[in-house]
Amino acid sequence: EDKVVQSPLSLVVHEGDTVTLNCSYEVTNFRSLLWYKQEKKAPTFLFMLTSSGIEKKSGRLSSILDKKELSSILNITATQTGDSAIYLCAASNDYKLSFGAGTTVTVRA
Amino acid sequence: DGGITQSPKYLFRKEGQNVTLSCEQNLNHDAMYWYRQDPGQGLRLIYYSQIVNDFQKGDIAEGYSVSREKKESFPLTVTSAQKNPTAFYLCASNRDGLSNQPQHFGDGTRLSIL
Repeated sequence: EDKVVQSPLSLVVHEGDTVTLNCSYEVTNFRSLLWYKQEKKAPTFLFMLTSSGIEKKSGRLSSILDKKELSSILNITATQTGDSAIYLCAASNDYKLSFGAGTTVTVRA
Repeated sequence: DGGITQSPKYLFRKEGQNVTLSCEQNLNHDAMYWYRQDPGQGLRLIYYSQIVNDFQKGDIAEGYSVSREKKESFPLTVTSAQKNPTAFYLCASNRDGLSNQPQHFGDGTRLSIL
């Protein structure tokens, strides 16, 4: 059975801190690793990673995939209150996504 | 604006009742998906469709049914056989169902039991 595990389940930080979120996966016929941010409603797409060791960046967010360790991390630097959300990790095989339970990040002013 | 529209935002179901959740997309995507999200759990796949008039069961299809008569529409029916329907339901789509494209989501429907 395909499995995706995220850690920690939740964390609270202060504005300006750096956050590192972890995702590990066991998925048959793995193709790519995706990160989404979910505030109140629709998850919004952040990154798709297919190649090991290549960092993807968007502003203060960055992510990297380690296919040897079957894992990925998502970093958020200089956190702001608007970064408060659930961050979802998903691993894809040929036709579907398997999601982790998510990490709830709370950024306090 | 292109996107995925889910309706209604909130829905209440009585015992023994079937209810239908709407999902419409104007992105011209071939593939559409239904997920269920429970507190503290990840999204779980209910059904998916990669082409009109064809759909496949996901991991938790029991108690649900779908149809795909039009490319832009993928309604989900929660039947009375689904004994624990209270959850947040998300619809998603991507261009052709391949894993090299991200799925994009609608704003969801929150279903509760009366």
